[in-house]
Amino acid sequence: DIQMTQSPSSLSASVGDRVTITCQASQDISIYLNWYQQKPGKAPKLLIYAAANLETGVPPRFSGSGSGTDFTFTISSLQPEDIATYYCQHYDHPPFTFGGGTKVDIK
Amino acid sequence: DVQLVESGGGLVQPGGSLRLSCAASGFTFSSYWMNWVRQVPGKGLVWVSRINSDVSSTNYADSVKGRFTISRDNAKNTLYLQMNSLTAEDTAVYYCSRGQGAFDIWGQGTMVTVSS
Repeated sequence: DIQMTQSPSSLSASVGDRVTITCQASQDISIYLNWYQQKPGKAPKLLIYAAANLETGVPPRFSGSGSGTDFTFTISSLQPEDIATYYCQHYDHPPFTFGGGTKVDIK
Repeated sequence: DVQLVESGGGLVQPGGSLRLSCAASGFTFSSYWMNWVRQVPGKGLVWVSRINSDVSSTNYADSVKGRFTISRDNAKNTLYLQMNSLTAEDTAVYYCSRGQGAFDIWGQGTMVTVSS
């Protein structure tokens, strides 16, 4: 099974800061990587698919990049409503493993 | 509105069974792959199972293989998860989600608690 290592597990940043989260796959997954946002008590929400494609309706301050084994998720200017836990997930082949999550809050 | 609504969760004893349902609306259910994902409260997301649009292909996480069965009724726009031989480790919120790889629509989740 493919393991997804996400870091950091938590971070605290100020409004307007650039925030970066990384995700590393245990083997080459090409661009088969998604990013989700989950707010407390809510279902996850798809933000980025196929490593770098912004889901419809998602603000452009969110972006993703990478291929192979190393991926990056960026919030260009952190907003109060971005407080959430973010997960990467591969979909190269089942089982579709999620990363451990990154909890983002405001400093 | 595009919507998924789970039901069927609850309290069940170890070794027991439960069937979850996920009612879809607002889209052509029969055209989409569907999934179950679970989450222990306060912990991360774990993919459980997937079924393709015409019911010819299913996949399972090793932790549930042989105990859980995913199915769907395209005429009723409903996805199911039959869960047997439940253990405390199956306690979680269970979400249904739409998609073959990227899960773009999620239900609100249904809580399953396995306890005596």
